[in-house]
Amino acid sequence: AQKITQTQPGMFVQEKEAVTLDCTYDTSDPSYGLFWYKQPSSGEMIFLIYQGSYDQQNATEGRYSLNFQKARKSANLVISASQLGDSAMYFCAMREDFNAGGTSYGKLTFGQGTILTVHP
Amino acid sequence: GAVVSQHPSRVICKSGTSVKIECRSLDFQATTMFWYRQFPKQSLMLMATSNEGSKATYEQGVEKDKFLINHASLTLSTLTVTSAHPEDSSFYICSARSGTFRGPDTQYFGPGTRLTVL
Repeated sequence: AQKITQTQPGMFVQEKEAVTLDCTYDTSDPSYGLFWYKQPSSGEMIFLIYQGSYDQQNATEGRYSLNFQKARKSANLVISASQLGDSAMYFCAMREDFNAGGTSYGKLTFGQGTILTVHP
Repeated sequence: GAVVSQHPSRVICKSGTSVKIECRSLDFQATTMFWYRQFPKQSLMLMATSNEGSKATYEQGVEKDKFLINHASLTLSTLTVTSAHPEDSSFYICSARSGTFRGPDTQYFGPGTRLTVL
């Protein structure tokens, strides 16, 4: 079963508008972390924002905020005041904080990604 | 922030040859390194996890004899694609983490290596 699901293959937004990118996840681990990364055409993975499963408040980083709804297992990314430079592929990822033989590997599982296009 | 480098950034090789990709953590000691593979417009798929000084743990479906991973030191991991074929053409990305894994941004990504096998 998919652990991380991004249902929007592509999204379009007008410059200066806000946009929400959806992400749902599935885990039975009570301790986990949720990440959003931006991948421009150059291929580099740019960390945007993080939400821990025990965090009480929604994470915010500048124009990025994470709408964390734990009961619904969703972690949507909200980008406010979109800029042309925001056009990229966006990935949601989850790290399950399990122990394997006493060592926690912390590997990430990625969603399918959403291509965001910002129009002038 | 922490920096991870990859070398080479781009490689073109003939079918049947082996290609080595290096991943280095430049300003921190990476206890664990991850290798991902990404096809165009698709997600990152984890290939293997490597801890310094021990054998890599491969994900299901990844051929360990084809994708050799060596994590010889706390700052260097290498991925060797042996007897590469055109279907191995892909974007390979490494990431590295140090110490405790909890918290934000504790996994740092390299810039990726684009492999093209002719």
